[in-house]
Amino acid sequence: LAKTTQPISMDSYEGQEVNITCSHNNIATNDYITWYQQFPSQGPRFIIQGYKTKVTNEVASLFIPADRKSSTLSLPRVSLSDTAVYYCLVGDLPGANNLFFGTGTRLTVIP
Amino acid sequence: GAVVSQHPSRVICKSGTSVKIECRSLDFQATTMFWYRQFPKQSLMLMATSNEGSKATYEQGVEKDKFLINHASLTLSTLTVTSAHPEDSSFYICSASPSVLAGGFTDTQYFGPGTRLTVL
Repeated sequence: LAKTTQPISMDSYEGQEVNITCSHNNIATNDYITWYQQFPSQGPRFIIQGYKTKVTNEVASLFIPADRKSSTLSLPRVSLSDTAVYYCLVGDLPGANNLFFGTGTRLTVIP
Repeated sequence: GAVVSQHPSRVICKSGTSVKIECRSLDFQATTMFWYRQFPKQSLMLMATSNEGSKATYEQGVEKDKFLINHASLTLSTLTVTSAHPEDSSFYICSASPSVLAGGFTDTQYFGPGTRLTVL
């Protein structure tokens, strides 16, 4: 079971780029890396998923080094509405290991 | 696409009563659904895996006779908290994984909006 480690909290000013790194030293060959965003009293929302190198969508970018032992979620030009908890999960298939949430990173965007 | 709903969104009940929470995948079929519980300021904790047509798999420390799970169809799973007590008050969240999702990742969970349970 690939355990993940993230910073507990981060602060950022509006308009800045935010990078949140997740460590997953025991990631397995078949594991994907998935990031979720959660607002208070809501279910987590899928942000991005990747296996290696770089993935980009309309919301974020995900950078994964060659050894895949870590990953970095990059949020460009954050706004106040990006204040939330961000979780990274690693696992191969639903029903296997991609189910266990770590502490997450509480991002606070400051005006 | 890939929308998961939960009902009710909020419920308040008296101690000793049972509460049923529904989780539905609205636009995809899900052979597997998952139930989580989240206490204030804490992370999500997996309670059980719900498999369509078979018994649920419970995580260690979760009482299967207290948290009854039924996954009767490919779009519906229910969690019944039996004889609820104040310590069961929590935010319950379900997720579903598409059996097949054209153009997307089948490894991804899609979460419902959650159900806030308060037991008086």
